[in-house]
Amino acid sequence: AQKITQTQPGMFVQEKEAVTLDCTYDTSDQSYGLFWYKQPSSGEMIFLIYQGSYDEQNATEGRYSLNFQKARKSANLVISASQLGDSAMYFCAMREEGYGNNRLAFGKGNQVVVIP
Amino acid sequence: EPEVTQTPSHQVTQMGQEVILRCVPISNHLYFYWYRQILGQKVEFLVSFYNNEISEKSEIFDDQFSVERPDGSNFTLKIRSTKLEDSAMYFCASSRTLADTTDTQYFGPGTRLTVL
Repeated sequence: AQKITQTQPGMFVQEKEAVTLDCTYDTSDQSYGLFWYKQPSSGEMIFLIYQGSYDEQNATEGRYSLNFQKARKSANLVISASQLGDSAMYFCAMREEGYGNNRLAFGKGNQVVVIP
Repeated sequence: EPEVTQTPSHQVTQMGQEVILRCVPISNHLYFYWYRQILGQKVEFLVSFYNNEISEKSEIFDDQFSVERPDGSNFTLKIRSTKLEDSAMYFCASSRTLADTTDTQYFGPGTRLTVL
């Protein structure tokens, strides 16, 4: 079963507008972490933002914020005031608790293209 | 800001040949990881490494793969006899502390492996 689901088709967003990228996850663990990474066309994976399962506040990091709805098991990324450099693939990932369970499970990604 | 580095950026090899992918994790990090991303697909976990031994590996990480920390700075992934399906981007990552759900994994820029 998929642990992370990202199903949106490629998105076009106007420069300076906000965009929301959907991510739902599946876990039976109480303690887990959710991460978003950006992958531009050059290929590197850039960490953007983290949300812990016990965090009561939604995470924010500059223009990035995470809309965390635990009961719905969703962790949507919001990018405000989009810039041309935000054009990239965006991956949601989860890490579950348990010693030795170190892996990040990634979704398939959301493609974002920012247009001027 | 410290970053994970990887060499080479691109490796082309013949099927059946051995390849070694190299990584220098962030200097005060203790956990190291390898992931791979086949073109157009999601990022997949291969292996994690701590205290000079494998702490977790996926079903992809079979006997043709091995990892090593030959000195205090390098972390390597060896593929003994490459197959066409090993063609992918290979990412090294590192994290600071003992693994838990809050600890962010920072990725290197990747090595694009092409098997002919």
